[in-house]
Amino acid sequence: ETGVTQTPRHLVMGMTNKKSLKCEQHLGHNAMYWYKQSAKKPLELMFVYSLEERVENNSVPSRFSPECPNSSHLFLHLHTLQPEDSALYLCASSQETGVWYEQYFGPGTRLTVT
Amino acid sequence: AQSVAQPEDQVNVAEGNPLTVKCTYSVSGNPYLFWYVQYPNRGLQFLLKYITGDNLVKGSYGFEAEFNKSQTSFHLKKPSALVSDSALYFCAVRDQNTGGFKTIFGAGTRLFVKA
Repeated sequence: ETGVTQTPRHLVMGMTNKKSLKCEQHLGHNAMYWYKQSAKKPLELMFVYSLEERVENNSVPSRFSPECPNSSHLFLHLHTLQPEDSALYLCASSQETGVWYEQYFGPGTRLTVT
Repeated sequence: AQSVAQPEDQVNVAEGNPLTVKCTYSVSGNPYLFWYVQYPNRGLQFLLKYITGDNLVKGSYGFEAEFNKSQTSFHLKKPSALVSDSALYFCAVRDQNTGGFKTIFGAGTRLFVKA
């Protein structure tokens, strides 16, 4: 295991629901990330947090709302999603946000929007 | 703008044979290059990285990668493939000039190792 956990592993939600994805890292890292992985497309960076401060919001629709209460936990709050938002959502962490640090990924949450 | 290309969607190799998964990149500054592997129903796992120094980088599970600045390539290699190496492989690049925390991933190459 990589030291990054995500819950739930699978989520099915309707377009009018509100749900949250949770990520926790046990590595003592200072940076955390949300990625979206869709079939046939490269990984898309969504959000980056460094020491609980958001440093990147990569033109993500407002129906996705991140929260980082501390450097070990990261949430992605979801509301009024669209079917095209169905994807694997991956959380990752790294020691810092510097270019030379590799990222450690959680197993992902498979989201299906009906 | 930085970019990563993995020209092969799929690579097939017989067990015991050497394998190569290709990657080329484009950045405006110095490249910081990474390889990750993804097994079914799992997140990505870090394999190796090139930051500076020796062009041949060794990583986990017997993998290595060769950095070639003139060809802007960073191909992943292994001398003898195992069936358990079958997975999805991603090349990635970071460029300090364009926000170091932004990792650009290639589309991925699926490796099949046949027994």
